[in-house]
Amino acid sequence: EIVMTQSPVTLSVSPGERATLSCRASQSVSSNLAWYQQKPGQAPRLLIYDASTRATGIPARFSGSGSGTEFTLTISSLQSEDFAVYYCQQYSNWPPWTFGQGTKVEIK
Amino acid sequence: EGQLVESGGGLVQPGGSLSLSCAASGFTFSGYWMSWVRQAPGKGLEWVANIKQDGSEKHSVDSVRGRFTISRDNAKNSLYLQMNSLRAEDTAVYYCARGYGWVDYWGQGTLVTVSS
Repeated sequence: EIVMTQSPVTLSVSPGERATLSCRASQSVSSNLAWYQQKPGQAPRLLIYDASTRATGIPARFSGSGSGTEFTLTISSLQSEDFAVYYCQQYSNWPPWTFGQGTKVEIK
Repeated sequence: EGQLVESGGGLVQPGGSLSLSCAASGFTFSGYWMSWVRQAPGKGLEWVANIKQDGSEKHSVDSVRGRFTISRDNAKNSLYLQMNSLRAEDTAVYYCARGYGWVDYWGQGTLVTVSS
């Protein structure tokens, strides 16, 4: 099973600042990586797939990069609605698809 | 726009069974792999199982294999998860999800609580 490790666990950022979230895979997943945003009491929302492709309706301030074992989600200028938990997920090796433990982006 | 609505969650005793359903609308259900993903209270996400468009291929995570069965009825635009021999560690919100690799549509989730 591929283990996904996200860092940091919590990221404190001021509105308008840039946020950089990291995700590392225990073995190469090529570009088979997605990012999700989840707010309290809500289902996750797809942000990025194939490591760098924005999902439909996702603002351009969200961008993904990386391949192999190292990935980054960047939020260029944090808006109030962006404070949430973010998960990465690999879909390279089944079983199973695996998620990272999440990074909570909180208001500084 | 696609919509997924789960039902069937509730409180069940350890060793018991529960059947979850997911009603899909707004897209061609038979054209997509479908999945179940769960989230224990206060925890992260865990992929449980997925099923091919025609039901001919199914996969599940080790922790539920032999206890949970995923199925679908394309005529009814519905996805199912039969859960047997439930354990306390199966307590979670169960999400119906569209997709094979990544999930682009999620249901609102249904809570399954396994407790005596």
